[in-house]
Amino acid sequence: NAGVTQTPKFRVLKTGQSMTLLCAQDMNHEYMYWYRQDPGMGLRLIHYSVGEGTTAKGEVPDGYNVSRLKKQNFLLGLESAAPSQTSVYFCASRALAGRTGELFFGEGSRLTVL
Amino acid sequence: AQTVTQSQPEMSVQEAETVTLSCTYDTSESDYYLFWYKQPPSRQMILVIRQEAYKQQNATENRFSVNFQKAAKSFSLKISDSQLGDAAMYFCAYRSAKDSSYKLIFGSGTRLLVRP
Repeated sequence: NAGVTQTPKFRVLKTGQSMTLLCAQDMNHEYMYWYRQDPGMGLRLIHYSVGEGTTAKGEVPDGYNVSRLKKQNFLLGLESAAPSQTSVYFCASRALAGRTGELFFGEGSRLTVL
Repeated sequence: AQTVTQSQPEMSVQEAETVTLSCTYDTSESDYYLFWYKQPPSRQMILVIRQEAYKQQNATENRFSVNFQKAAKSFSLKISDSQLGDAAMYFCAYRSAKDSSYKLIFGSGTRLLVRP
């Protein structure tokens, strides 16, 4: 069972470079999320999607863009990376139905911006 | 806006003993869900326990139980018979029952150390 897979797991960028993080889920989930985790701050929501073709801003969206062209994939883009975007990024997904539905998380992607 | 606060950055417990991790939250809503997630060194987020606000009974999962005090907006996690494998970051999280995006709001986390 693959579940939620994030690619790449690690990446080092220079300031100003661009990159895309890919999140893929094989559970046919409707909802997908991108969080960033920073020491002492927990996980903060960057963007999310409630279905194919939809995206919405979370708590800390500045400097990021997302796309959900296919239901199973949720891409997080950094157009011009900044050192403040050094973080561990987590993708999560959730099925549509059920008040008590669980979030399934990927293993995280560590990004360092020099 | 809802907030979740974990005031203990780090806790330590002796193996086989009991430890309680604290969490408080702020909300004006009456229907919501609370969660505890465990993040071991592997970084994988693992759901430990879930509490529905309209249920008065505290949730229990094996050695893990919660003390849910709705009026005080407190949601602590008790780990009994602590094991070395319990060492991890623990995050408390909140989800509004009215939010159709189902997004979670996390606290800053508590690192749990288990002494052999």
